[in-house]
Amino acid sequence: DAKTTQPPSMDCAEGRAANLPCNHSTISGNEYVYWYRQIHSQGPQYIIHGLKNNETNEMASLIITEDRKSSTLILPHATLRDTAVYYCIVRAHLPSSGTYKYIFGTGTRLKVLA
Amino acid sequence: DTGVSQNPRHKITKRGQNVTFRCDPISEHNRLYWYRQTLGQGPEFLTYFQNEAQLEKSRLLSDRFSAERPKGSFSTLEIQRTEQGDSAMYLCASRPQFGLLDTTDTQYFGPGTRLTVL
Repeated sequence: DAKTTQPPSMDCAEGRAANLPCNHSTISGNEYVYWYRQIHSQGPQYIIHGLKNNETNEMASLIITEDRKSSTLILPHATLRDTAVYYCIVRAHLPSSGTYKYIFGTGTRLKVLA
Repeated sequence: DTGVSQNPRHKITKRGQNVTFRCDPISEHNRLYWYRQTLGQGPEFLTYFQNEAQLEKSRLLSDRFSAERPKGSFSTLEIQRTEQGDSAMYLCASRPQFGLLDTTDTQYFGPGTRLTVL
């Protein structure tokens, strides 16, 4: 299974950009990278996903390196409500059903400071 | 609210008891997943349903665990003879079937059921 590696924790000042890195050096060529976050005692919340090109939505931007071995999630103006654990996720194919399961790592605990 | 719902949100039980959790996926999502999350770890895949068929089961799903989705809508996860090691958050996720041009796989998670086994 492809694995992801993230720093265990980061701090960010409120209003500043939060840049969360992820290493996924074993990702296969046609696999997407997904980012979710989990606020304490809630289920994971989808943020963004990408394959090769950089992506942006109303929540965040995703920068994927050209070799696809790493990516960075950018929260452009972090607020206190962005304090959460952020997971960088790749999928693993389940051959018997043709579906995929998410492979979560241990994530990055982001604390936004007032 | 049209998101994934799970009940109960919290369950405390004594070792050896049976427990059952329920997941109601987003309407018209025919794919449903169960994950387990222990403290300080990311969620781990347990099982997958496509409509009413259970097509995947992880090694983590011991014989004491059983999951059903009888009508292809809501799903239940039962743990028999609970052990303290079963204490965890149990998460359900759903997604629609891929469209022809959609090869992505965004899963939508519920709030989870937190199980504590005493």
